Amino acid sequence: IAGITQAPTSQILAAGRRMTLRCTQDMRHNAMYWYRQDLGLGLRLIHYSNTAGTTGKGEVPDGYSVSRANTDDFPLTLASAVPSQTSVYFCASSDLERGSYNEQFFGPGTRLTVL
Amino acid sequence: RKEVEQDPGPFNVPEGATVAFNCTYSNSASQSFFWYRQDCRKEPKLLMSVYSSGNEDGRFTAQLNRASQYISLLIRDSKLSDSATYLCVVSGSSASGGSYIPTFGRGTSLIVHP
Repeated sequence: IAGITQAPTSQILAAGRRMTLRCTQDMRHNAMYWYRQDLGLGLRLIHYSNTAGTTGKGEVPDGYSVSRANTDDFPLTLASAVPSQTSVYFCASSDLERGSYNEQFFGPGTRLTVL
Repeated sequence: RKEVEQDPGPFNVPEGATVAFNCTYSNSASQSFFWYRQDCRKEPKLLMSVYSSGNEDGRFTAQLNRASQYISLLIRDSKLSDSATYLCVVSGSSASGGSYIPTFGRGTSLIVHP
C-alpha cells in the first residue's frame, strides 16, 4: 500500500441496507477524516479522528458512525442507508504535530448510490 | 453564513491570462490556510500552503489577509492544464470546541481555453 486507499471504488446499495466504507493509510498519520462531496456543496466533514482511539463529529455526522481501533484504519459505517446519502465519499489523513494542521492526503474516493 | 466562502465561478479565461481567486473565512482564530486543486472525479490534492507573509510557487502566488479574513490565489500565464476546481481550506474549531478541524470552501471552477 502506498498512501491512502479506499474500498470499494463504487457501490450501488438498496435503501435500508448497512454499508461500511473502508479507508487505510500507511503513512502513520495520527489524524484521519471522512468527507462527502455533493455537487454545489463542496466537501463536508462527516467525522474525524485526531488519534487512534478517539473520534469526533464533523458538519454532517447524522446517519454515519466511525471507529478508530488503530492508526491505519478508519472505517465509515452507514447503519441504514437512505437515498440522501448518495454521494462521493473521500477519506483523508494528515499528521498533526503539536496541534498544528498539516497537509491532508486524500484517498481516491468511493462513489455510493443508494436506491 | 458558511465558514469558508468562495465564488464558484466558473472563471473562463484564455491561455496566458492572469486569474485571481479569493476565499473569505469567518473564524478569526483560524490558524492554517491552504489551496487544494481538484480535477474532475478525482481526489483533492494540495496546491500550496498559505503563509502570513505570502508565498509563491512558480506561476502561483498565495496571499493571506488576516485583517480582512481572506486568502487569495493568483495564477499567472494560465495553461490549459490549470483547468480544475480550486478549493480553499481553513483550519478552525469544531462544533464541540475542538481545534484544527479543516473546513473546505465549495471550490472555484477554472476553465482555461485555447
